[in-house]
Amino acid sequence: AQRVTQPEKLLSVFKGAPVELKCNYSYSGSPELFWYVQYSRQRLQLLLRHISRESIKGFTADLNKGETSFHLKKPFAQEEDSAMYYCALNTGGFKTIFGAGTRLFVKA
Amino acid sequence: NAGVTQTPKFRVLKTGQSMTLLCAQDMNHEYMYWYRQDPGMGLRLIHYSVGEGTTAKGEVPDGYNVSRLKKQNFLLGLESAAPSQTSVYFCASRGTGTGELFFGEGSRLTVL
Repeated sequence: AQRVTQPEKLLSVFKGAPVELKCNYSYSGSPELFWYVQYSRQRLQLLLRHISRESIKGFTADLNKGETSFHLKKPFAQEEDSAMYYCALNTGGFKTIFGAGTRLFVKA
Repeated sequence: NAGVTQTPKFRVLKTGQSMTLLCAQDMNHEYMYWYRQDPGMGLRLIHYSVGEGTTAKGEVPDGYNVSRLKKQNFLLGLESAAPSQTSVYFCASRGTGTGELFFGEGSRLTVL
């Protein structure tokens, strides 16, 4: 079955500390993975996708097919990074499925 | 450029009442989706559409119906609302050449 797992519901770090939001997926084919972010009182928006291999707002994510993971990382967290983060899997068809989300709280 | 617009943004229903959520997109996207967002469960796909006149079931379709009579609109209906349908509903759309979803602002529905 296709599944996205985000094991942490809440992650709290201090400003300037490194942060890693975990995402594991289950899919037998070639996945297309995304991270979406929802800031307070804003709509969900794309943060980054594995295909582009880019860094957005200091965040990076590497697809590890061996471990079926797509963890989101940032070396130095900022207070404005506080938000809800969703890992999402597009299986090449029409559907995109989401993980349960991780709420990141960056403390001053 | 409005992107994806959902109406209404808030609604309170009594058990058994019916209602329709409207989603409109102005990006000429083929694919449209309805998700529900619940604490601890993330976004779950209710129904989706791959083109005008087509609809398909997602992960949690029971109790909902949809219609896509026009390419730009995707309606989500609740025929007989239940308290378990209290949630925040998100509409999303995407084009055929990209996997990126564009979301509406959400519609908060409370069923008493």
